[in-house]
Amino acid sequence: QKEVEQDPGPLSVPEGAIVSLNCTYSNSAFQYFMWYRQYSRKGPELLMYTYSSGNKEDGRFTAQVDKSSKYISLFIRDSQPSDSATYLCAMSRITGGGNKLTFGTGTQLKVEL
Amino acid sequence: DTGVSQNPRHKITKRGQNVTFRCDPISEHNRLYWYRQTLGQGPEFLTYFQNEAQLEKSRLLSDRFSAERPKGSFSTLEIQRTEQGDSAMYLCASSSDTRPYEQYFGPGTRLTVT
Repeated sequence: QKEVEQDPGPLSVPEGAIVSLNCTYSNSAFQYFMWYRQYSRKGPELLMYTYSSGNKEDGRFTAQVDKSSKYISLFIRDSQPSDSATYLCAMSRITGGGNKLTFGTGTQLKVEL
Repeated sequence: DTGVSQNPRHKITKRGQNVTFRCDPISEHNRLYWYRQTLGQGPEFLTYFQNEAQLEKSRLLSDRFSAERPKGSFSTLEIQRTEQGDSAMYLCASSSDTRPYEQYFGPGTRLTVT
């Protein structure tokens, strides 16, 4: 079983919809939770990160972490066709070393006109 | 452009050949990471440098793989005797010591082994 599970989709929504993307994880040592956006054949782009539990908002994006359920979410409000991409969740432990990221498989999102 | 850069962007090689990729991190970042991403999967950690010291290597990094970061600036990843299973996107990321979890990725090098 993978440490981080993410539904690969594809997820198709109409323009203007609220999108909910989710990941579950098994390792309680994870403390930092990131969301990346990746367009086809490009490198991942960091959208936002959250430390421990709670919510964080940045424009149309809201990240939520529920450590008790080992569940994280990314909400996108007023979705646009330009939001069409693969969304990757990633997690990191607090260690004395490198904070390597453990990723989910990514969810492919398509926002249609 | 002050982001992470990687060269080449694409590399096609024949099985058994050696290849080398280069990564230039964000200039003020001390930490540099290599990840590998195959189709339909998220990136997987390969190795990590803090300045010039290679501090962690994944079990994915077989003996055919070697990475260096001379002088703590750019890094190279070399794959010797390439195999078809090495075909993937090789991603480099960098971060600062104060926010090591905040990793910024380059565009990647796509390797195809024929």
